[in-house]
Amino acid sequence: ILNVEQSPQSLHVQEGDSTNFTCSFPSSNFYALHWYRWETAKSPEALFVMTLNGDEKKKGRISATLNTKEGYSYLYIKGSQPEDSATYLCAFDGSGTYKYIFGTGTRLKVLA
Amino acid sequence: GAVVSQHPSWVICKSGTSVKIECRSLDFQATTMFWYRQFPKQSLMLMATSNEGSKATYEQGVEKDKFLINHASLTLSTLTVTSAHPEDSSFYICSAYKSGRRTDTQYFGPGTRLTVL
Repeated sequence: ILNVEQSPQSLHVQEGDSTNFTCSFPSSNFYALHWYRWETAKSPEALFVMTLNGDEKKKGRISATLNTKEGYSYLYIKGSQPEDSATYLCAFDGSGTYKYIFGTGTRLKVLA
Repeated sequence: GAVVSQHPSWVICKSGTSVKIECRSLDFQATTMFWYRQFPKQSLMLMATSNEGSKATYEQGVEKDKFLINHASLTLSTLTVTSAHPEDSSFYICSAYKSGRRTDTQYFGPGTRLTVL
């Protein structure tokens, strides 16, 4: 059974703080790793698709890195704002399966 | 991005009734759509892959006679929960690839909260 784990489960940060969280996934049969941002009552919003070991991607204040050899990805948020409050999901896409395996998410609350 | 809608956003029904959930791709065509389910404090779990014009592929442990999937057009897939029971109460969410290329990402609807009394 393939397992994708995210940590921490939840965290609270003050506005302006930078933060990061982790997604751990199987290091074999890797195809892609997806990050989503999910606000309550909305559709999950695609943030990044990461495919190559060593990938670093950036979108505004949010960036992500990928290490496929050891099976982890980090998501960083610089200068957190209240509007960053959401659940951040990662999904492992293993080669040959076309199926996403999701972590349980990291719930971020940014306090003004 | 791409827009996927779901209807209804929430539904409450009595045990034994059937409930239909619609998933639509609004600004693109989707030959393949995916249905997920999420129980409290758990991750999104793939239930089935819906293919336009053909039978859906169900994941292990998902009863195909209970969760009927119809993908009759390139923009619409429906999930019908037949003879719903309280244990079917869950959050159901659909997704689709916009471009059909796997290097793209799956775009999700907002989900449907089903409560079976």
